Amino acid sequence: NAGVMQNPRHLVRRRGQEARLRCSPMKGHSHVYWYRQLPEEGLKFMVYLQKENIIDESGMPKERFSAEFPKEGPSILRIQQVVRGDSAAYFCASSRRVTGGYNEQFFGPGTRLTVL
Amino acid sequence: DAKTTQPNSMESNEEEPVHLPCNHSTISGTDYIHWYRQLPSQGPEYVIHGLTSNVNNRMASLAIAEDRKSSTLILHRATLRDAAVYYCILQGGSEKLVFGKGTKLTVNP
Repeated sequence: NAGVMQNPRHLVRRRGQEARLRCSPMKGHSHVYWYRQLPEEGLKFMVYLQKENIIDESGMPKERFSAEFPKEGPSILRIQQVVRGDSAAYFCASSRRVTGGYNEQFFGPGTRLTVL
Repeated sequence: DAKTTQPNSMESNEEEPVHLPCNHSTISGTDYIHWYRQLPSQGPEYVIHGLTSNVNNRMASLAIAEDRKSSTLILHRATLRDAAVYYCILQGGSEKLVFGKGTKLTVNP
């Protein structure tokens, strides 16, 4: 049973380019979360999605960032017109379903974005 | 989201027990206590969770104070592979995990 898969593992972009990060949740999981970890900092929640719906985007920057989780295919985190401050590790997590307060999230290996 | 307080770092020797403390004095009655860890250059990994009672699993034990204002993650025999940053997280009413700075555990051979 494959875990959460993220690709690419490393991504280099020049300022102004677009970055697309992909996340395939574990089999049977319909909830996806994106987190960002800036260098030497802790993980920060960005967005929580279910299939075709954004449930909580309270951690997403207001501009240039968007996320989707289509009915078919992986979840995509898109960053338009990247800047050097976007350089970070982006982690995706998935969970099976929400049951009260218990919600084990399974994390992928992350995508390390470097903006030149 | 309720806040947790953890020591910045701790050290242990291999094959000795490790007790990682976490204070969460503002915890609400419906908050679950989760522990995740992050090994170097990897994504976080679930360790254990609990609500009121102490919990055991194959990785660790979780001891929760009677007033729930603090908890302790116990690794019974630390190995070099346990060297990681350990995060204590409260979760209730929202699906997102709010990570603090965690405790960086160093395990000495």
